Amino acid sequence: ETGVTQTPRHLVMGMTNKKSLKCEQHLGHNAMYWYKQSAKKPLELMFVYNFKEQTENNSVPSRFSPECPNSSHLFLHLHTLQPEDSALYLCASSQIKTGNTEAFFGQGTRLTVV
Amino acid sequence: DAKTTQPNSMESNEEEPVHLPCNHSTISGTDYIHWYRQLPSQGPEYVIHGLTSNVNNRMASLAIAEDRKSSTLILHRATLRDAAVYYCILHNAGNMLTFGGGTRLMVKP
Repeated sequence: ETGVTQTPRHLVMGMTNKKSLKCEQHLGHNAMYWYKQSAKKPLELMFVYNFKEQTENNSVPSRFSPECPNSSHLFLHLHTLQPEDSALYLCASSQIKTGNTEAFFGQGTRLTVV
Repeated sequence: DAKTTQPNSMESNEEEPVHLPCNHSTISGTDYIHWYRQLPSQGPEYVIHGLTSNVNNRMASLAIAEDRKSSTLILHRATLRDAAVYYCILHNAGNMLTFGGGTRLMVKP
């Protein structure tokens, strides 16, 4: 248990569905991140939120829509996804952007788009 | 972004020490050297980090070269549960945790 909880752990969705991934942390961190990990590829940073404000968007398609209502919760809203979006989606949190602190990762949501 | 270079894979015998190397020749003065590992079907897990001096914790030791252009993660006695992908990452206040391919460590009984 890392202190970062992601739900659901597994999700299968059709290309026309709309679903949301949820991430929750109660570590007192003020930065939260979404990463995507496709099969046999390194983790790719998708979004960064710092004090609830989005500070990074690494050219992610608009079919992925993040939401950070407060510093403890982070959502990733999904709509009209493609099969190539199937991947492990990981949430992480850390104290404000500084190199002298570690990040904590959730267990991830394994997403399959059919 | 400062980059790191790691071997794709390494093998170790159980209960023997393991030295995982990482090169980061373009490291800047404000970059911390972080190590994470990812066990199968899990999210990455923090292992250790340092700036200039060698560091020890309950999981591992981090040896940092004097010029900081390379570092080595040391697992003192590898167990089967240490089989994972180990990532060496440079991290500072101006960038995010950017992961490379890492080193896949295989531990033989």
